[in-house]
Amino acid sequence: QSVVTQPPSASGTPGQRITITCSGSNSNIGINPVHWYQQLPGTAPKLLIYVNNERPSGVPDRFSGSKSGTSASLAIRGLQSRDEAEYYCSVYDDKLNGWLFGGGTKLTVL
Amino acid sequence: EVRLVESGGGLVKPGGSLRLSCAVSGFTFSSYSFNWVRQAPGKGLEWVSSISSSSLYIHYAPSVRGRFTFSRDNAKNSLFLHMSSLTAEDTAVYYCVREGRQLDPASSPYNPSYFYYMDVWGKGTTVTVSS
Repeated sequence: QSVVTQPPSASGTPGQRITITCSGSNSNIGINPVHWYQQLPGTAPKLLIYVNNERPSGVPDRFSGSKSGTSASLAIRGLQSRDEAEYYCSVYDDKLNGWLFGGGTKLTVL
Repeated sequence: EVRLVESGGGLVKPGGSLRLSCAVSGFTFSSYSFNWVRQAPGKGLEWVSSISSSSLYIHYAPSVRGRFTFSRDNAKNSLFLHMSSLTAEDTAVYYCVREGRQLDPASSPYNPSYFYYMDVWGKGTTVTVSS
């Protein structure tokens, strides 16, 4: 069982704004930056947000991230059908000396 | 073009061994750390192992420690994951992943520190452990 927790599912209608949360602890999110990945069906994960709120080149500004304490959030505004995917948060854990992933959130655009 | 291409996956019997490779191109291989991340069928992502640029630091997830060995050849721009004592729980797609970095703006210019994140992923290779 992952020690970084995400809701298993989320949904919204086109144009809506949704948020996905990621909850951790003092050994990971509390002291290290959070990163987010998007995995479209049948493909490898793709970096979506890094260091809490930075967007790689090519990622639309509809996607944004934030972090506070031991939790982080991914927000998607102006939801589109192409955003249907699995979303994972990730953070380095100083106790594990390795990376943790949240369990993933499956986003459905209704 | 930045590329990470995994190979070596396949069907192996429980208790068997397998060696995965990852061929890297399009950037200065020796400057980066790398990771293996796996995804069991229908499941989420699981970090497996990481290796620093000089191989000085190698870390493993508890689930594979003692059975998997991560290595690299900086002369051949290649990464290797030797897996042994395989069980059905090791069945997964295995991704080779580069670790990028960003300077921490709050760090001292005389002693800079960095934030790390997995920025480039290969397409993965499938390992199936079954009798």
